[in-house]
Amino acid sequence: GENVEQHPSTLSVQEGDSAVIKCTYSDSASNYFPWYKQELGKGPQLIIDIRSNVGEKKDQRIAVTLNKTAKHFSLHITETQPEDSAVYFCAASQGDMRFGAGTRLTVKP
Amino acid sequence: EAGVTQFPSHSVIEKGQTVTLRCDPISGHDNLYWYRRVMGKEIKFLLHFVKESKQDESGMPNNRFLAERTGGTYSTLKVQPAELEDSGVYFCASSVGDGGNSPLHFGNGTRLTVT
Repeated sequence: GENVEQHPSTLSVQEGDSAVIKCTYSDSASNYFPWYKQELGKGPQLIIDIRSNVGEKKDQRIAVTLNKTAKHFSLHITETQPEDSAVYFCAASQGDMRFGAGTRLTVKP
Repeated sequence: EAGVTQFPSHSVIEKGQTVTLRCDPISGHDNLYWYRRVMGKEIKFLLHFVKESKQDESGMPNNRFLAERTGGTYSTLKVQPAELEDSGVYFCASSVGDGGNSPLHFGNGTRLTVT
């Protein structure tokens, strides 16, 4: 089955800096790669997703890149703000969605 | 539209007791999923319903866990008898299409503590 590795487990940045979270997956058949943000006391919420026919996708300060050959994908957050502080999960799916272990991002004002 | 709702938000029970978690998916979502996250680990798949049928229950840890979705609406997840290692946050999610290729809508989770 699919195995998703996510790094780093914790990330602390200064407000205004960029943050990058990286994930690798094992199943070359995976074709859907969403990213979820979980705030304290809430469930994960989808923030951006990318499909295997696209190499990059951007939505305002958030971007995701996908390298299918290397089987890795990354989340990039630019101009970070304190409200970006949360736990971020990557996932990969070829029919069954599998999640990474999460990255706790802290943005210091 | 109302989101995915889960009840209770927290549950503290003793080892050997029974607990039932409930999930109400978004209306019209045929696909319903249960996940569990143990502190610091991945969000782990438990099972997937399509309407009232179990599509995939390969993630269920053992036969102490029983999930139902009678009538294809809300779902329950019963743990009987509970063990210490069952502690964690149980998430329910729903999607319009197959969640393997469609965004999942998560509830806020039930934090289960077994003492």
